[in-house]
Amino acid sequence: ETGVTQSPTHLIKTRGQQVTLRCSSQSGHNTVSWYQQALGQGPQFIFQYYREEENGRGNFPPRFSGLQFPNYSSELNVNALELDDSALYLCASSRGSPGAYNEQFFGPGTRLTVL
Amino acid sequence: AQTVTQSQPEMSVQEAETVTLSCTYDTSESNYYLFWYKQPPSRQMILVIRQEAYKQQNATENRFSVNFQKAAKSFSLKISDSQLGDTAMYFCASPRDNNDMRFGAGTRLTVKP
Repeated sequence: ETGVTQSPTHLIKTRGQQVTLRCSSQSGHNTVSWYQQALGQGPQFIFQYYREEENGRGNFPPRFSGLQFPNYSSELNVNALELDDSALYLCASSRGSPGAYNEQFFGPGTRLTVL
Repeated sequence: AQTVTQSQPEMSVQEAETVTLSCTYDTSESNYYLFWYKQPPSRQMILVIRQEAYKQQNATENRFSVNFQKAAKSFSLKISDSQLGDTAMYFCASPRDNNDMRFGAGTRLTVKP
């Protein structure tokens, strides 16, 4: 186990709804990244937060937003859900400031299904 | 890396034998990092091994080692003495910058008893 937890494990929503996914990082991990992993594919970077500020974003529309809190927890919010948003959503935390050399510790993911 | 490519969607190996997973990448950066991650069925993704591009020596972690060919932009993973617990998806990855980790499509490895 990596010490990173995510909730809920599974979630079913309908198109147009909004969803909030949660992640709890290890204590001391100031950086958290969120990824979308479609079935049979590798994870795609959504965005990263460092000390409660967005620190980089992948090719995802603004309806994907996030928050990071001082207690090492974070959220991924997705508005106006689309069928293609169905995927496994992973969060990954790392110690210290963002850096290419820092090991990322992944959570087990939230499986989102949009009907 | 700008792109990471894994050309082997699936592989299998007999227990105790050796298997090599391939990865190629494309980057314009002079210094960068490369990673192999393992994602077991229904379990969390974990880091297997990490290579810093400026280091010429190939990284090794117990039964896992890499063959890093910088000029060819190749980064393969060798698993020696394969065990049933090695059955998983394996992803090659490299950051595009300090935060944008790029993953390949993955290789599904099955270790057969």
